[in-house]
Amino acid sequence: GESVGLHLPTLSVQEGDNSIINCAYSNSASDYFIWYKQESGKGPQFIIDIRSNMDKRQGQRVTVLLNKTVKHLSLQIAATQPGDSAVYFCAENFYGQNFVFGPGTRLSVLP
Amino acid sequence: DAGVTQSPTHLIKTRGQQVTLRCSPKSGHDTVSWYQQALGQGPQFIFQYYEEEERQRGNFPDRFSGHQFPNYSSELNVNALLLGDSALYLCASSLPTDTSEQYFGPGTRLTVT
Repeated sequence: GESVGLHLPTLSVQEGDNSIINCAYSNSASDYFIWYKQESGKGPQFIIDIRSNMDKRQGQRVTVLLNKTVKHLSLQIAATQPGDSAVYFCAENFYGQNFVFGPGTRLSVLP
Repeated sequence: DAGVTQSPTHLIKTRGQQVTLRCSPKSGHDTVSWYQQALGQGPQFIFQYYEEEERQRGNFPDRFSGHQFPNYSSELNVNALLLGDSALYLCASSLPTDTSEQYFGPGTRLTVT
């Protein structure tokens, strides 16, 4: 089936710097995307979403960018904090069908 | 609001045994999805229940079955356990009018020995 992948399996950033996590998706017909954060021992937590009719959406300290031309999704975290350390997943959805998750990127925030 | 709850937290079973995992959805949610998350990987969709019926199913064998009760809670059953079934099993619930945004529970860690 269709799959969602990530370019960087691990990412280390200094506290206070901005983080960028990337994701490539393969189903050009996917119309909805979500970024999840998963901390150790917990289930995935919704961060931000974006629909295919948008190319940018901002939340609190986070921004998601969608480039449909190259089927690329990114999550930008501003002023990264120690509490941001976690595994981040992108997931795609096609018209209400089940979500397809990528393998995840581990973000480590260095003091 | 307790959010999505799952039980048990951890479980150890022997190969060939059967297991039942339980999920209570977030208040107001009537759709429940189950995912399997192997160590170091993203969640993989198993199936989704709505109105006590299986609505969608991922690429999992018939050993994986489920049930949804009138109060929207759900069970995941796995028969004839294999070592490869060891994983974190996640339950997610969603709003009746928008199944796109899902809320996940903490998961049940199943270890098959």
